[in-house]
Amino acid sequence: AQKVTQAQTEISVVEKEDVTLDCVYETRDTTYYLFWYKQPPSGELVFLIRRNSFDEQNEISGRYSWNFQKSTSSFNFTITASQVVDSAVYFCALSEEGSTGNQFYFGTGTSLTVIP
Amino acid sequence: GAVVSQHPSRVICKSGTSVKIECRSLDFQATTMFWYRQFPKQSLMLMATSNEGSKATYEQGVEKDKFLINHASLTLSTLTVTSAHPEDSSFYICSAPRDYRANEQFFGPGTRLTVL
Repeated sequence: AQKVTQAQTEISVVEKEDVTLDCVYETRDTTYYLFWYKQPPSGELVFLIRRNSFDEQNEISGRYSWNFQKSTSSFNFTITASQVVDSAVYFCALSEEGSTGNQFYFGTGTSLTVIP
Repeated sequence: GAVVSQHPSRVICKSGTSVKIECRSLDFQATTMFWYRQFPKQSLMLMATSNEGSKATYEQGVEKDKFLINHASLTLSTLTVTSAHPEDSSFYICSAPRDYRANEQFFGPGTRLTVL
């Protein structure tokens, strides 16, 4: 079974629109970590956020915000006032406490295109 | 911050040759490193877990004789693609955890392998 599901394969928005990328995860561990990464065309993963399972506070960082809801096992990512530079593939990932050496499980990614 | 480097960043080789990719943790020691493979427009798939001082652990379906992993020191893991074929062309990414308790993991910039 897929541990991390990103149902949106591709999204296109017009610049300055807000966009939310969905992430649903599955785990039986009580301690786990959730991540979001951005992958621009260069391929290098850019770390955006790490959230542990005991911290359900939503977080805002500039135009980025994250909504962590344990009740629905979701960790959604919103970009406000999108810009062309936000165009990239975004991955949600899960790491479980019990996994060997903190193995990551990645979602299939959401390709975001911001149209000028 | 912690940095993980990969070398080379890009390699083109002829079919049948072997290619070695290096992954280094630059300012911390890593007893475990991970190797991922990413095909175009797909997610990162874990190939193997590299363990310093012992054999690597391969994921199901990954040929250990094809993808040789050597964790030579606490800061270096190498992935050798032996007798490469066009189907091995992919983007290879390594990662290394720095703080297991905080699940802090760093990804290398990736190596793009093209086999002609």
